[in-house]
Amino acid sequence: NAGVTQTPKFQVLKTGQSMTLQCAQDMNHEYMSWYRQDPGMGLRLIHYSVGAGITDQGEVPNGYNVSRSTTEDFPLRLLSAAPSQTSVYFCASSPGTDLSYEQYFGPGTRLTVT
Amino acid sequence: GIQVEQSPPDLILQEGANSTLRCNFSDSVNNLQWFHQNPWGQLINLFYIPSGTKQNGRLSATTVATERYSLLYISSSQTTDSGVYFCAVAYNTDKLIFGTGTRLQVFP
Repeated sequence: NAGVTQTPKFQVLKTGQSMTLQCAQDMNHEYMSWYRQDPGMGLRLIHYSVGAGITDQGEVPNGYNVSRSTTEDFPLRLLSAAPSQTSVYFCASSPGTDLSYEQYFGPGTRLTVT
Repeated sequence: GIQVEQSPPDLILQEGANSTLRCNFSDSVNNLQWFHQNPWGQLINLFYIPSGTKQNGRLSATTVATERYSLLYISSSQTTDSGVYFCAVAYNTDKLIFGTGTRLQVFP
């Protein structure tokens, strides 16, 4: 199994541009989530999904959209990038439809918005 | 929402020393996990431990849910243990809340 994969690894955007961060898992996990990690801080939840067709907001959802059309994929869209969205983004997945299991993280995407 | 505090924020050790990292949380939890973020940024799940004690090699963890804390023990530390250790909790929600971490540096 490849586990949780994320693309791209690095990205530089100009303010106002849009882009999609890709996340995929091959473990048939129902629960998937996106976090951002800013310097010196823990991870903050952006959006999550408990199954295909179901998404919900986390702690810091503004400026981001998600969709879950398949169990495997959970892309994160930045609608109009802002410098405040410069961060490292992690995707995670876990079995089940709640948080009763351990989470598996992808390698992260380092995003810089100028 | 639940508040998560980790201590100490920074820890410097010589190889071979033991250490204890603490995670306090403000409310009941039914999910508590410990993660290690290595110097390359990869997050690895160490323990899923909403209560009780678990051991995995040189690492062990104990959660006392009634007193709202969890401890991560690292014995005979090695340089490869360096990185940031995060505690994350949830209670009857689908949202995992992370602490701000303990940064561990182990020197040879």
